[in-house]
Amino acid sequence: QVNLVESGGGVVQPGRSLRLSCAASGFSFSYSVMHWVRQVPGKGLEWVAVIAHDGNGIYYTDYVKGRFTISRDSSQNTLYLQMNSLRPEDTAIYYCARETPGTYYFDYWGQGTLVTVSS
Amino acid sequence: QSALTQPASVSGSPGQSIILSCTGTSSDVGGYNLVSWYQQNPGKAPKVLIYGDTKRPSGVSNRYSGSKSGNTASLTISGLQADDEADYYCCSYARGTTWVFGGGTKLTVL
Repeated sequence: QVNLVESGGGVVQPGRSLRLSCAASGFSFSYSVMHWVRQVPGKGLEWVAVIAHDGNGIYYTDYVKGRFTISRDSSQNTLYLQMNSLRPEDTAIYYCARETPGTYYFDYWGQGTLVTVSS
Repeated sequence: QSALTQPASVSGSPGQSIILSCTGTSSDVGGYNLVSWYQQNPGKAPKVLIYGDTKRPSGVSNRYSGSKSGNTASLTISGLQADDEADYYCCSYARGTTWVFGGGTKLTVL
């Protein structure tokens, strides 16, 4: 079955960097579009970034553009989110989510990893 | 990239039908047939209920149905049950290859 497991969250100071990983299994990762979605605890969901199945189409929400980088390693079935210049408002649970290409919705989600940006 | 508008809370009694609304613009909800709905229970990841405005993934109860008129999408839950109590989020694909979520609606089953 489809399984997405995020890791790499933790407490980090403002201005520092963190890299999240999402290990995928149970489906054809190299043919799937992958997203990051975040959620401030107790608040709503916010879409963060998307990467096409071949890594060529990459888009971000304006709030992280220039600071975050989404990437993927299909040989390792792993999705990444490199987060630089972190701000307190980036504090959230970060979910990776799968999209079957062309469907434009998130059909499977990981359990999330919490990132806390605080001094 | 403004969030879609959802009522903060809705309540209903077991057996009733309730409708959750989601209002956007012609750049998102009204511009594409790509609204999806998610149910989220406390401490859990969201789960998709509806995609493509009206389509239901296999395994999702037919008590959940989606519709859309102009810039407003709706999720109808019929035969309300206690375990429907959760947070519900709409999401739409938007111009510029982005996705936008609503602020979420907390459903209380009385």
